[in-house]
Amino acid sequence: AQTVTQSQPEMSVQEAETVTLSCTYDTSESDYYLFWYKQPPSRQMILVIRQEAYKQQNATENRFSVNFQKAAKSFSLKISDSQLGDAAMYFCAYRSEVGDDKIIFGKGTRLHILP
Amino acid sequence: DSGVTQTPKHLITATGQRVTLRCSPRSGDLSVYWYQQSLDQGLQFLIQYYNGEERAKGNILERFSAQQFPDLHSELNLSSLELGDSALYFCASSVGPSGLGYEQFFGPGTRLTVL
Repeated sequence: AQTVTQSQPEMSVQEAETVTLSCTYDTSESDYYLFWYKQPPSRQMILVIRQEAYKQQNATENRFSVNFQKAAKSFSLKISDSQLGDAAMYFCAYRSEVGDDKIIFGKGTRLHILP
Repeated sequence: DSGVTQTPKHLITATGQRVTLRCSPRSGDLSVYWYQQSLDQGLQFLIQYYNGEERAKGNILERFSAQQFPDLHSELNLSSLELGDSALYFCASSVGPSGLGYEQFFGPGTRLTVL
């Protein structure tokens, strides 16, 4: 069974600085998707960024980028120029490309932005 | 706004009761997913329906059931409620099976409190 592990329950970063959230996963599959979701105090689940396992190039979305290391099964999220609106719970997630459609989530990292 | 609607937003009920949560997917989406977010279990996949048929099942209790209707809206029925069922219940929808790369879009959730 696939698992997703986020080892940092909480992190803090100064506004305008850069922060990296860590995530590791375990799978025997070769084709899959990885995601970072943001859950602000409103509780809405917002997709931040997505990475297809077959792509070697790391995904980037504006100030958000990932470092995808397939062999190491590592998928970290880098947030540049942190803003107060980035304060939220961040979930790393996995979805298989074949078979089951479910998303498997990590436990989350709560990110605090210090003004 | 993801386009996925869930009603009600909040639900407070007593142990032993039965409740129904409703989800309307985005226009054109055939797949509906239910997830439960609780403090102790985190975010867990419960069940998926595709075009009216059950497609995948996760850690869904026997006291819980779901269905997808011909108009594609879905209902999650929770019966014999226990204190531990208190959680945020998310519905998500996608065009088709996620294995084809279709994204899951999350609704705002229904907050269930069992007293």
